Amino acid sequence: ETGVTQSPTHLIKTRGQQVTLRCSSQSGHNTVSWYQQALGQGPQFIFQYYREEENGRGNFPPRFSGLQFPNYSSELNVNALELDDSALYLCASSFPTQGSSYNEQFFGPGTRLTVL
Amino acid sequence: AQTVTQSQPEMSVQEAETVTLSCTYDTSENNYYLFWYKQPPSRQMILVIRQEAYKQQNATENRFSVNFQKAAKSFSLKISDSQLGDTAMYFCAFMTNTGNQFYFGTGTSLTVIP
Repeated sequence: ETGVTQSPTHLIKTRGQQVTLRCSSQSGHNTVSWYQQALGQGPQFIFQYYREEENGRGNFPPRFSGLQFPNYSSELNVNALELDDSALYLCASSFPTQGSSYNEQFFGPGTRLTVL
Repeated sequence: AQTVTQSQPEMSVQEAETVTLSCTYDTSENNYYLFWYKQPPSRQMILVIRQEAYKQQNATENRFSVNFQKAAKSFSLKISDSQLGDTAMYFCAFMTNTGNQFYFGTGTSLTVIP
């Protein structure tokens, strides 16, 4: 059973550019959540995808968008990058547990995005 | 709205000693989950311990235990017999019973001193 993987590990972009970050969920997991972790802060929820549909969104502007593919891997796209978008982006995968309202989420190592 | 507060940005403890990390939260929900996550310097977030709000008994996982005070909305983490590998950032997190997202605190950086 493989864990959650993310690519790339590090990325440097300039203001105004667009970026795509990728996440491969843990085997068998059909739900992926994305978080933004700014320096010195806790992760902030961006959105979640369940079976290829958006299933909840945090307080992030529309230039943050996502996709989930049939194999449950996922992409986070950010358009018109701003300096404040510099952060560690984490994805977490999970699978609904029968009889429980809680689904343990497994985090990937993150992608460090720097916007200059 | 749910908020999680960790008032100790940094802490240190001698190896083999015990340390307690504090966390308070605010919610109007009655059913929810509380978590402590560990984020080592390699960055991958790892679940340390989980507590269901409807359970009065405090959760325990080996050297890690919590003190859950529901009325006070307090959820502290006690690490016994601290080890060098416990050095990491620790995040307290909250999830509603019907929700799908974590609400994280700002973290406590714990250093275990040899």
